Amino acid sequence: DAKTTQPPSMDCAEGRAANLPCNHSTISGNEYVYWYRQIHSQGPQYIIHGLKNNETNEMASLIITEDRKSSTLILPHATLRDTAVYYCIDNDKIIFGKGTRLHILP
Amino acid sequence: EAGVAQSPRYKIIEKRQSVAFWCNPISGHATLYWYQQILGQGPKLLIQFQNNGVVDDSQLPKDRFSAERLKGVDSTLKIQPAKLEDSAVYLCASSFRTGWVDTEAFFGQGTRLTVV
Repeated sequence: DAKTTQPPSMDCAEGRAANLPCNHSTISGNEYVYWYRQIHSQGPQYIIHGLKNNETNEMASLIITEDRKSSTLILPHATLRDTAVYYCIDNDKIIFGKGTRLHILP
Repeated sequence: EAGVAQSPRYKIIEKRQSVAFWCNPISGHATLYWYQQILGQGPKLLIQFQNNGVVDDSQLPKDRFSAERLKGVDSTLKIQPAKLEDSAVYLCASSFRTGWVDTEAFFGQGTRLTVV
């Protein structure tokens, strides 16, 4: 079973930053935190991952707390195309939880 | 680069019939996964292969589901006999390295199965 906890849904205004939280309090020292998203009727898409340090790529930023028990995915300028279910994963197998359904509001 | 290919995209069968899904991973990817995604839920891992060996099949209903990955490349997932509750999207994914460390997985578009 998934070991992460995420809010079931969130809203964000178009053009604003979307901040998606994830709790992974049982994460072990060598487990990475991965984020995927799934747009309707498509397979999941990798976004970003990290171990201890904050990470940034062309899609998003990942902020991991110092104790590694939680993280936040940041979409800096959300667009309507970012409407999707976002999954946080903290294990060495790709085991999905229920994710957060993000709605971008025009 | 070419992505993960799955076929068919859609399949409708009657209960108690059999069905097979095919997956061609990205070239060079050692790890291959099959998932079942029921409407409104997150994907559920069914089986994980490393090359042609099974790493984890603890969630695979072995009385009716089977999967193989011959020669460590393509894979097939079979259901025999199908039940109504097997209606779902079946997703295939692959990743470059063994396990999970420091590499992401790439997913196919999935096969939508409807059992009537």
